[in-house]
Amino acid sequence: NAGVTQTPKFRILKIGQSMTLQCTQDMNHNYMYWYRQDPGMGLKLIYYSVGAGITDKGEVPNGYNVSRSTTEDFPLRLELAAPSQTSVYFCASSYWGSNQPQHFGDGTRLSIL
Amino acid sequence: RKEVEQDPGPFNVPEGATVAFNCTYSNSASQSFFWYRQDCRKEPKLLMSVYSSGNEDGRFTAQLNRASQYISLLIRDSKLSDSATYLCVVNVGNSGGYQKVTFGTGTKLQVIP
Repeated sequence: NAGVTQTPKFRILKIGQSMTLQCTQDMNHNYMYWYRQDPGMGLKLIYYSVGAGITDKGEVPNGYNVSRSTTEDFPLRLELAAPSQTSVYFCASSYWGSNQPQHFGDGTRLSIL
Repeated sequence: RKEVEQDPGPFNVPEGATVAFNCTYSNSASQSFFWYRQDCRKEPKLLMSVYSSGNEDGRFTAQLNRASQYISLLIRDSKLSDSATYLCVVNVGNSGGYQKVTFGTGTKLQVIP
């Protein structure tokens, strides 16, 4: 079972470059989430989606964009990379309903130099 | 007051010891609760859900105290492999199915030989 798959696993960007972090899930989950985690810190929610075509901002959305054209995919776009966006990015998904836990991908480690 | 608060630790305990973590939450409308485990530089993984009546999974016991708004995790007979950061997660849902998920910043456990 693939679960939540994130690509790439590692990436180094130069300041000002753009990139898209890919996330796909094969569990038919309605909800999908993007988090970032800085070293030694907790998870911070960037964006989330409750279904195809519906996205909303989380705690730290600035500098990022998302789209959700299908149930399976939830890409995260960085338009103008900045050193402050160096972090580990986790995608997660869950079923509809407040008693449903989130399932995480294994993360993308992004460095911006 | 933070929505979800955990003692960051670290908790350094010898092998075989019993250790307990608490997590307090501020929203009395919170509906569901989970404990996750996160190893260094890895994704969070669901350890167990927390049910109103309390629940046990092997050496792990989770309890919920709604009156005092906290959940707890008890680990008996600690193993070296239990060394990790333990994240408390609180979901607030509504009748429309939307869920607001809040992660604690985690409690670090180090089990010492």
